[in-house]
Amino acid sequence: DGGITQSPKYLFRKEGQNVTLSCEQNLNHDAMYWYRQDPGQGLRLIYYSQIVNDFQKGDIAEGYSVSREKKESFPLTVTSAQKNPTAFYLCASSVGTGQTYEQYFGPGTRLTVT
Amino acid sequence: AQSVTQLDSHVSVSEGTPVLLRCNYSSSYSPSLFWYVQHPNKGLQLLLKYTSAATLVKGINGFEAEFKKSETSFHLTKPSAHMSDAAEYFCVVSGRDGATNKLIFGTGTLLAVQP
Repeated sequence: DGGITQSPKYLFRKEGQNVTLSCEQNLNHDAMYWYRQDPGQGLRLIYYSQIVNDFQKGDIAEGYSVSREKKESFPLTVTSAQKNPTAFYLCASSVGTGQTYEQYFGPGTRLTVT
Repeated sequence: AQSVTQLDSHVSVSEGTPVLLRCNYSSSYSPSLFWYVQHPNKGLQLLLKYTSAATLVKGINGFEAEFKKSETSFHLTKPSAHMSDAAEYFCVVSGRDGATNKLIFGTGTLLAVQP
């Protein structure tokens, strides 16, 4: 059964701690993405990767880091430098980055930092 | 630059009545457009997409959308709402970021369905 998995579903951390969110896909997609969702703001792109060992900053990359060592995995680290990390984080993948390619989304991780 | 505007942040309909969720886009070239649905605390699911073929696009769960270039619109419709349609809906345009296409999301329309 192909798809995207994100774990955990809920994550709680203390301020000042780094935290890593997991994203795995078995769709054999080349491109993967991380978005942040806040109420009333739609989705904002954090980082994306078109191919293994390569990634680019999105619109709100400050305070985040990623790696892409394997095609199926694209973990996101929320560092202590991120000023407002509490949000719903969504991972997505697509066959490629052409204009007509839709993205497939995971179920999301809700991060709460106190 | 590409952008998308969802004209209503909240829409409420009665079960069995038509649904209309409005979306206008701006694009400097022929766009690809998408509608996604998100149920509470879930990921996004693709409802339908337009990629310069037929202007009337049919999607899942009885939804459809019509691409109107003259009006720069891509409104989502369904003839008869079901309780399970209650969710947030996002209109999305594919835009360019240098050599890469990326999705640009509207701010969402929350659809409530009353019994």
